[in-house]
Amino acid sequence: DQQVKQNSPSLSVQEGRISILNCDYTNSMFDYFLWYKKYPAEGPTFLISISSIKDKNEDGRFTVFLNKSAKHLSLHIVPSQPGDSAVYFCAASPYAGNMLTFGGGTRLMVKP
Amino acid sequence: DAGVTQSPTHLIKTRGQHVTLRCSPISGHKSVSWYQQVLGQGPQFIFQYYEKEERGRGNFPDRFSARQFPNYSSELNVNALLLGDSALYLCASSPGGGIIYEQYFGPGTRLTVT
Repeated sequence: DQQVKQNSPSLSVQEGRISILNCDYTNSMFDYFLWYKKYPAEGPTFLISISSIKDKNEDGRFTVFLNKSAKHLSLHIVPSQPGDSAVYFCAASPYAGNMLTFGGGTRLMVKP
Repeated sequence: DAGVTQSPTHLIKTRGQHVTLRCSPISGHKSVSWYQQVLGQGPQFIFQYYEKEERGRGNFPDRFSARQFPNYSSELNVNALLLGDSALYLCASSPGGGIIYEQYFGPGTRLTVT
């Protein structure tokens, strides 16, 4: 039973446009959510997080939106750059937890 | 500053063998977590160790074990290897034991079981 799902395996966008990556979860105990980016031959690197007391968190070109009633979160990248091309994972945890539950990842390709 | 390091980078083993993977956390980090990433899937939590004690265990069989040493480095051991154990094994370190602490991942060890 996948508790965190990323239904789009891949996404292709033009440089300068917006990239929107989506993630759904089923576990009501999750109240802390994170996005990680992974390049080939490297470990995942932390991008941005959001706790359930917020519905939006912004950091530069990256914004995460959380819709608790729909159990859905999304990552917006504006403007998209070719260097953003990577696999993006969303992850979730109870706030007081110590383990991350990851989605399957979405491969983002930003075309110049 | 050195990031999380893992050794070896790649490993090929035969079914039924035993394997030991190693992880050195970022200096000052006391928590180490292990994740298994099967091709095409997201990382799956195996263990967390904090201050040399097991703080969490994922849904993995007893063939998987780990430990953390006084210098906070860690080993992941897998016995009686199966073909399905072929995966990228990721180690992550963080300053504290809770999830609110940012986890820094190493590049992983690619294990192939034939």
